[in-house]
Amino acid sequence: EIVMTQSPATLSVSPGERATLSCRASQSVSSNLAWYQQKPGQAPRLLIYGASTRATGIPARFSGSGSGTEFTLTISSLQSEDFAVYYCQQYNNWPPTWTFGQGTKVEIK
Amino acid sequence: QLQLQESGPGLVKPSETLSLTCTVSGGSISSSSYYWGWIRQPPGKGLEWIGSIYYSGSTYYNPSLKSRVTISVDTSKNQFSLKLSSVTAADTAVYYCGCVPRPSGWFDPWGQGTLVTVSS
Repeated sequence: EIVMTQSPATLSVSPGERATLSCRASQSVSSNLAWYQQKPGQAPRLLIYGASTRATGIPARFSGSGSGTEFTLTISSLQSEDFAVYYCQQYNNWPPTWTFGQGTKVEIK
Repeated sequence: QLQLQESGPGLVKPSETLSLTCTVSGGSISSSSYYWGWIRQPPGKGLEWIGSIYYSGSTYYNPSLKSRVTISVDTSKNQFSLKLSSVTAADTAVYYCGCVPRPSGWFDPWGQGTLVTVSS
């Protein structure tokens, strides 16, 4: 079973600053990696898929990078609406299985 | 545009079976283009994949829950369902249904989620 580990658990950032979130897989997942944003009381929203492709309607300040076991989500200039919890998720092709990281909370500094 | 909506009891007694249904609109659950899945989130905690189903009926489960989970599809109603047996308080969570467009591996869209509390 592939384990996804996110760091840090909490990230305190001032509006306008850059945020860098990390996600590590216990074994290679190639580029089968997605990032989601979740705000309180809401379902998660897809931000990034294929490790680096922004989903439809996602602002350019969100970017993803990495492959294999190390991945990064970068928010270039934090806006007020970006303070939320972010999850990474891997997809294994066969058999189809999905695993989420434990999340990183981005809070206002 | 696909939309998903969860439904089912909000309260289940310990040792009983949790049953939820996800109704799909804006597309056919019989399409070979999607996996359909269930994800849960205990209060204040992270996301956990429960299992997924393909229109053919092929199922894939989280090994940690496999012994208690059954996911099925009802093509006549454009719905898929989750049954989780022998529940305990640890199964209290918001349960989401989601769609995975093949061959991608990403859940998009998600249902709004439904809170299920396990309590006597």
